[in-house]
Order: sequence, then C-alpha cells, then structure tokens
Amino acid sequence: SNSVKQTGQITVSEGASVTMNCTYTSTGYPTLFWYVEYPSKPLQLLQRETMENSKNFGGGNIKDKNSPIVKYSVQVSDSAVYYCLLGGPCMEYGNKLVFGAGTILRVKS
Amino acid sequence: DAGVIQSPRHEVTEMGQEVTLRCKPISGHNSLFWYRQTMMRGLELLIYFNNNVPIDDSGMPEDRFSAKMPNASFSTLKIQPSEPRDSAVYFCASQVDGALYEQYFGPGTRLTVT
Repeated sequence: SNSVKQTGQITVSEGASVTMNCTYTSTGYPTLFWYVEYPSKPLQLLQRETMENSKNFGGGNIKDKNSPIVKYSVQVSDSAVYYCLLGGPCMEYGNKLVFGAGTILRVKS
Repeated sequence: DAGVIQSPRHEVTEMGQEVTLRCKPISGHNSLFWYRQTMMRGLELLIYFNNNVPIDDSGMPEDRFSAKMPNASFSTLKIQPSEPRDSAVYFCASQVDGALYEQYFGPGTRLTVT
C-alpha cells in the first residue's frame, strides 16, 4: 500500500542548509507534493515532482524511495511545518492524497 | 479568486452541541476535501467529494460526523453531538480534477469543544 514517512523535527541555525527527507512507497506512478504550513497560514504548495521530471521514470512499484527537499541558507521565517504528500494518476481512490506526518523545521537566530 | 473560504475561523462550543463547519471551494474546482489536523495524528483526510458526490468517507471517525455538498460551491461538515476529542483544526481543500494538480487549502476552522 502507499505510505509516506518524514523526519519529525529539525532545528538549525540561520544560514544553514537543511535537507528534509520524504521516504515513500507507492504502487503506480506517483506525483509527490511538498506543502509548507506557516503559523496561521493555509497550506501552500512548494514543489511538485511528477513521473516525467523525477528520478522514478520507468518505475511502477516503488519501495522506500527518498525524495527530499533542500532549503539553502534558511532564515527564521522559514520555520514551519513541511508536509510531503503522495498522489498520482494510478492511485486507488482517484485524487486521494497520502500525507506524511510533517517535518517541523525550527530555525534559530 | 479569493481562494478556498471556510467559516467560521474559530468555534468554541460545549460538549453535546451540534457544530457545522462551512467551505466554499474555488470556482471551477470539482474535487473537495475535508481534513482534520491534531497534534497527535497530524493531518487526516476525513472525506472527499468529486462533482458533489462523496467518493471516499472512510476517514470519517464516527457516525457523529457527516458531510454534505449540495452544490459545486458549498460544503458542510457537521458534528453532532460534539465531544472534547473533536477539538482540532479542520481544513477544507479543493482541486481541479486530475491527480497531477495541487490542492488549494482554506485557512482552516479551529474547533474547541469544552
């Protein structure tokens, strides 16, 4: 079945680079979404990775594939919760997305 | 476009009362999703509609929860009777049909049941 796993919490200092992992298992050809949730703001799309532009081209059943997001020179304002979501044209239930639990990024000044 | 609109933004109610959350999706979007967010469980999909028809309600926790979408521009999520454990932020999201498109999220309704 389809699943997504994310690192729980990362704390870094301003100016650092951060890699947030998203490890997923999928049957079919997934689209991977990264959303960010800033305090008191709606979830916003950060990036989208489709079969055409991903390293998974030619795959079909994917197990424990990591598709991280990297942020360079982070600022305090980057502190937020980052969600990885799995979707795709061949997933059961049509448009249903599978959410990771989210990674809490804390940037210290 | 104003984006996905949810109301109320905050709701405080007493246990046992009926609560109705409202959502107006983005015009032209034909899929609508209701999510619940808690510290313990993160984001959970409760139910989603496609062209006003409920497609998957397997995430609805109990019979106390019900959702309707009478037309393409309005949906409600009702909890009756409410319980303290229902306290959470409830998000509505809408999407153009097709899994490659992103979901647009509303600002959420913060529900507190005392």
